[in-house]
Amino acid sequence: GEDVEQSLFLSVREGDSSVINCTYTDSSSTYLYWYKQEPGAGLQLLTYIFSNMDMKQDQRLTVLLNKKDKHLSLRIADTQTGDSAIYFCAEIFSGGYNKLIFGAGTRLAVHP
Amino acid sequence: NAGVTQTPKFRVLKTGQSMTLLCAQDMNHEYMYWYRQDPGMGLRLIHYSVGEGTTAKGEVPDGYNVSRLKKQNFLLGLESAAPSQTSVYFCASGGVTTNYGYTFGSGTRLTVV
Repeated sequence: GEDVEQSLFLSVREGDSSVINCTYTDSSSTYLYWYKQEPGAGLQLLTYIFSNMDMKQDQRLTVLLNKKDKHLSLRIADTQTGDSAIYFCAEIFSGGYNKLIFGAGTRLAVHP
Repeated sequence: NAGVTQTPKFRVLKTGQSMTLLCAQDMNHEYMYWYRQDPGMGLRLIHYSVGEGTTAKGEVPDGYNVSRLKKQNFLLGLESAAPSQTSVYFCASGGVTTNYGYTFGSGTRLTVV
């Protein structure tokens, strides 16, 4: 079956880089996503990567995809207090209807 | 602003009561989804719809029913609420193309006492 796993908690110092890791199971996933959830809010799409790419960079965000190991990571450069949130990794279920399978979420805490 | 609107935002129910959560989207998306979010468990799919008049079961459908009579609306019903249904419920919508993922509503926090 499909499953997405990620660590539950990460603490970093302001200004450092954050790396959030995720593993997924469906090798047929065409897209993989990172969502951000701030307290009391819904999920906001942060970035996505197509399965034929190894890396995608978008300002402070870098997504790395290792298809062989089914490993996805999100790197946030120069982490700020405003980056404190829960980050969800998601894969699209290849069985159809664009169903997304989410990980449990990684809570990122940024401290001075 | 275009997006997904959920009502209500908060609700407290007594065990055995019923209620309906409403989700409305104005992006002409074909697909709509209901998820529940519980601590440490991420988001779990309850039901989804691939078009007006169609619904399907997701990962955790028991105790819930849904309807999609109009393309823009997706209703989630609890016929007899149980404490195990205390959760935050999110509605999402998405188009046929997948590169942009979903658009989420802001959630409904439901407490069943």
